Amino acid sequence: DAGVTQSPTHLIKTRGQQVTLRCSPKSGHDTVSWYQQALGQGPQFIFQYYEEEERQRGNFPDRFSGHQFPNYSSELNVNALLLGDSALYLCASSFDEQETQYFGPGTRLLVL
Amino acid sequence: AQKITQTQPGMFVQEKEAVTLDCTYDTSDPSYGLFWYKQPSSGEMIFLIYQGSYDQQNATEGRYSLNFQKARKSANLVISASQLGDSAMYFCAMREGAPNTGNQFYFGTGTSLTVIP
Repeated sequence: DAGVTQSPTHLIKTRGQQVTLRCSPKSGHDTVSWYQQALGQGPQFIFQYYEEEERQRGNFPDRFSGHQFPNYSSELNVNALLLGDSALYLCASSFDEQETQYFGPGTRLLVL
Repeated sequence: AQKITQTQPGMFVQEKEAVTLDCTYDTSDPSYGLFWYKQPSSGEMIFLIYQGSYDQQNATEGRYSLNFQKARKSANLVISASQLGDSAMYFCAMREGAPNTGNQFYFGTGTSLTVIP
């Protein structure tokens, strides 16, 4: 039973560029959430997707957008990258919003 | 106000001893869930234990137990018989909201646990 997978594992971008991160949920899960974890901090909730729609959003600007596909996989897009966007981006999946979230290994993004 | 507060930035425990990691939470919602995750240096968040706001008994999962004190809004993690592999960051988290209202998770700032041989 495959767990949550994320790609790529590492990424280096320059300011102003755009990035797309990908996530495949755990088998049987239909809800995907994205988090940003800056160095030395706890994860911060970006948004959650369910049935291909954004159901809940944290305090992140519109530069952060996402998508969920019919197979429940998801993408996180960040436009106009800033140095402060450098972080570990974690994807978590669950069966329904109420259930325990299981996390992927994360994508480490470095913005230069 | 912070939704989740972890006041212990770092903790040390002797191997085979028990350790308690503190967590307090803030919500006015009657329906919520409390979680503990372990994050080794590799970065992946590993689910440890869950406690629902309506659960009458404290949750236990192997060597992990959650000391849930609802009136005090605390959800401390107890690790018994510590092992060297327990050395990691530990995060307390809360899911807030009733079903189908659009929940989100709030995480604390974490506690770094070091197990000493």
